[in-house]
Amino acid sequence: GESVGLHLPTLSVQEGDNSIINCAYSNSASDYFIWYKQESGKGPQFIIDIRSNMDKRQGQRVTVLLNKTVKHLSLQIAATQPGDSAVYFCAENGAGGSYIPTFGRGTSLIVHP
Amino acid sequence: DTGVSQDPRHKITKRGQNVTFRCDPISEHNRLYWYRQTLGQGPEFLTYFQNEAQLEKSRLLSDRFSAERPKGSFSTLEIQRTEQGDSAMYLCASLSMGSTEAFFGQGTRLTVV
Repeated sequence: GESVGLHLPTLSVQEGDNSIINCAYSNSASDYFIWYKQESGKGPQFIIDIRSNMDKRQGQRVTVLLNKTVKHLSLQIAATQPGDSAVYFCAENGAGGSYIPTFGRGTSLIVHP
Repeated sequence: DTGVSQDPRHKITKRGQNVTFRCDPISEHNRLYWYRQTLGQGPEFLTYFQNEAQLEKSRLLSDRFSAERPKGSFSTLEIQRTEQGDSAMYLCASLSMGSTEAFFGQGTRLTVV
């Protein structure tokens, strides 16, 4: 069935390092893949998305890579800051215009000053 | 504040009671989603509306759960005969047509005692 999952539940990094958060998906028909950040006590916040016909997209300090061959998605955060500490979720947006974001379990990013 | 707002932020109820949560989406967003999130898990999709039409409700957790969006603006989620297993964060999100960026509210935390 459809699933969006993550390889590691927790990632600890030092401030200033680059962070890479990985995600595996199984629904190859998804139109979009999205990364969300959730801070404690708050709802998820959109970070960046990537369309299924792309393999890379860059934002401010973040880059998302999509490898459709192995159904893998990653979020790279450059120069990680303490404010980046949060849980990161990848989500797939469904296929055929269903537009139902489906979330995986999440990775907790801990940034040490 | 023009974001998504949810009310109440916290609700403690006795088992067997009915509860109703409200979500006010961003005004120009025609899609509204309800999710449930338990500790350590990603948001779990429940149902969504496009304007006042409920387009997907098969993933509501049981027939005790129902949602409405009568005028295509705010929405309510009702849980009847609450059970301890219903304790969770209930999140609402809104999204404009053609966008992948879902805006989430801060959620309603339900505790059933």
